[in-house]
Amino acid sequence: GAVVSQHPSWVICKSGTSVKIECRSLDFQATTMFWYRQFPKQSLMLMATSNEGSKATYEQGVEKDKFLINHASLTLSTLTVTSAHPEDSSFYICSASRGGTEAFFGQGTRLTVV
Amino acid sequence: AQSVTQLGSHVSVSEGALVLLRCNYSSSVPPYLFWYVQYPNQGLQLLLKYTSAATLVKGINGFETEFKKSETSFHLTKPSAHMSDAAEYFCAVSDPGDSSYKLIFGSGTRLLVRP
Repeated sequence: GAVVSQHPSWVICKSGTSVKIECRSLDFQATTMFWYRQFPKQSLMLMATSNEGSKATYEQGVEKDKFLINHASLTLSTLTVTSAHPEDSSFYICSASRGGTEAFFGQGTRLTVV
Repeated sequence: AQSVTQLGSHVSVSEGALVLLRCNYSSSVPPYLFWYVQYPNQGLQLLLKYTSAATLVKGINGFETEFKKSETSFHLTKPSAHMSDAAEYFCAVSDPGDSSYKLIFGSGTRLLVRP
């Protein structure tokens, strides 16, 4: 099966600092990657869609300067939360597609901003 | 715009009982349909997907769904619940006309399995 790995699994950072989350497709080339945010006991909210080599497409209401997404290669996308604040604390999940109807999910990253 | 509605934020069943998790979609054309399971602090695992083939779809771990176009539904069922089935379940849809196949998720249903 297709494996997607997120790193780190959890991270604690100080308010005002930036934190980077990596999403890697380990055994396939991901033409499209997606980033989601999930609040406790809630559903997944799509933040942005990124295609390799092009700028990410952000969903309405998502601050692109706050959540920087880079999809530099067919196996790696990164989400950088800039100048993090406590309200950015959440569970962030990526998924990757190799062009078909199915997307494969990473294990998620729990971000806590203190 | 597509949307998907999961009925019931919590469902509780006894071990061995039938599991029925409800999901309806709203779309002008039949979308692609998915069910995912999420265990605490983990990502999502695909249980099954419907992409316009047979209306009855069997997935992993004994789960299945029947796509009913007339009811715009694709409820998730399992004949006999196991304790290990306790988790959060999400249905999702994507637009066949959208080449990115981005998913729109329902609000989720937490399945509790009583001994």
